[in-house]
Amino acid sequence: KQEVTQIPAALSVPEGENLVLNCSFTDSAIYNLQWFRQDPGKGLTSLLLIQSSQREQTSGRLNASLDKSSGRSTLYIAASQPGDSATYLCAVTQGAQKLVFGQGTRLTINP
Amino acid sequence: NAGVTQTPKFQVLKTGQSMTLQCAQDMNHNSMYWYRQDPGMGLRLIYYSASEGTTDKGEVPNGYNVSRLNKREFSLRLESAAPSQTSVYFCASSEAGRTMGYTFGSGTRLTVV
Repeated sequence: KQEVTQIPAALSVPEGENLVLNCSFTDSAIYNLQWFRQDPGKGLTSLLLIQSSQREQTSGRLNASLDKSSGRSTLYIAASQPGDSATYLCAVTQGAQKLVFGQGTRLTINP
Repeated sequence: NAGVTQTPKFQVLKTGQSMTLQCAQDMNHNSMYWYRQDPGMGLRLIYYSASEGTTDKGEVPNGYNVSRLNKREFSLRLESAAPSQTSVYFCASSEAGRTMGYTFGSGTRLTVV
């Protein structure tokens, strides 16, 4: 059974710092990996999707990498801002297109 | 705006009552999903529909039924609500094919008392 783990569970950093969120998964037979953002009381917003054949994807200040063989992905946020405060979730897609989620990292950016 | 629409946004039920959560997408996606999100448990798949006319159980289907009414709509029904079903419910959709990402609705916050 696929298990997805995100470390740390919570992270607090001062504004302007670069930071890395980690995601690991136990079964490397994935089709893709997706990073989401969730604001308190809100739904999930897709940030980046990495296909299993890709190594990384970039969108603005966000860069996600994927190392399928080692079962790891990282989300790099450059020059963090208070508006980046949210919970970040990673999820992998396996058979029948089902997403398996990690429990998320709650990120706080302090002004 | 194109996307996934869920109704209602909030609901309080008494134990034993029934209700249906509605979900509709306007992106012409083939696949639709229902997840529940609980503190400490993350998001877990309840049911999914890979295409119109098909439905399959996910990780936590007990106590729920679903209907894929047409390509746009996928409803989740609680026949006899229990306090353990207090949760936030999310509907999602995706295009068929494993290279596509998912779009989520804004959620339904359900409390069973």
